[in-house]
Amino acid sequence: EAQVTQNPRYLITVTGKKLTVTCSQNMNHEYMSWYRQDPGLGLRQIYYSMNVEVTDKGDVPEGYKVSRKEKRNFPLILESPSPNQTSLYFCASSSTGAATGELFFGEGSRLTVL
Amino acid sequence: LAKTTQPISMDSYEGQEVNITCSHNNIATNDYITWYQQFPSQGPRFIIQGYKTKVTNEVASLFIPADRKSSTLSLPRVSLSDTAVYYCLVGDMRGASKIIFGSGTRLSIQP
Repeated sequence: EAQVTQNPRYLITVTGKKLTVTCSQNMNHEYMSWYRQDPGLGLRQIYYSMNVEVTDKGDVPEGYKVSRKEKRNFPLILESPSPNQTSLYFCASSSTGAATGELFFGEGSRLTVL
Repeated sequence: LAKTTQPISMDSYEGQEVNITCSHNNIATNDYITWYQQFPSQGPRFIIQGYKTKVTNEVASLFIPADRKSSTLSLPRVSLSDTAVYYCLVGDMRGASKIIFGSGTRLSIQP
């Protein structure tokens, strides 16, 4: 089954404790992206990657890092999480890019930073 | 990047046709228009995409006037399961994939 898998789905952590949210897709998509969703603000793009070893900033990249060492994986790294990073995070992938093709989203990762 | 404006919320009834309009006055020549549907605590799901005129698929139609400064998502004969948030996106077809999701339109369908 074609899917985008995120882990963990739920996480409560404390300020400053590094964490990684993994994202994996099985559709051989070149494009992958991370979004955060906050009440009243819709979805905001954090980082995106057009292909392996190619990443770029979205609208809200501060406090986040990403890497794209393999085509199928695109982990989101919070080096020193802060409470304002409490949010619902979505990973997505596409064969042609976010603007021109269908984005496939994961089920989301709800992160709480205390 | 073109900013989009949608109504915050809409209400309708089962069996009705629902039209959600999105305004994108600053749309660029190379931009596509895409609509997504999102249920609570789930990732958005692609509905339809278009560049100009009209596009239709098995679930919706997308109407884009000649000036492309707005677009209308049309959902025929809605049901309770169409209650969701609908997002209009505008993005560059040349592959620059920094795009903006707006705040979306919360559609509520009543029996």
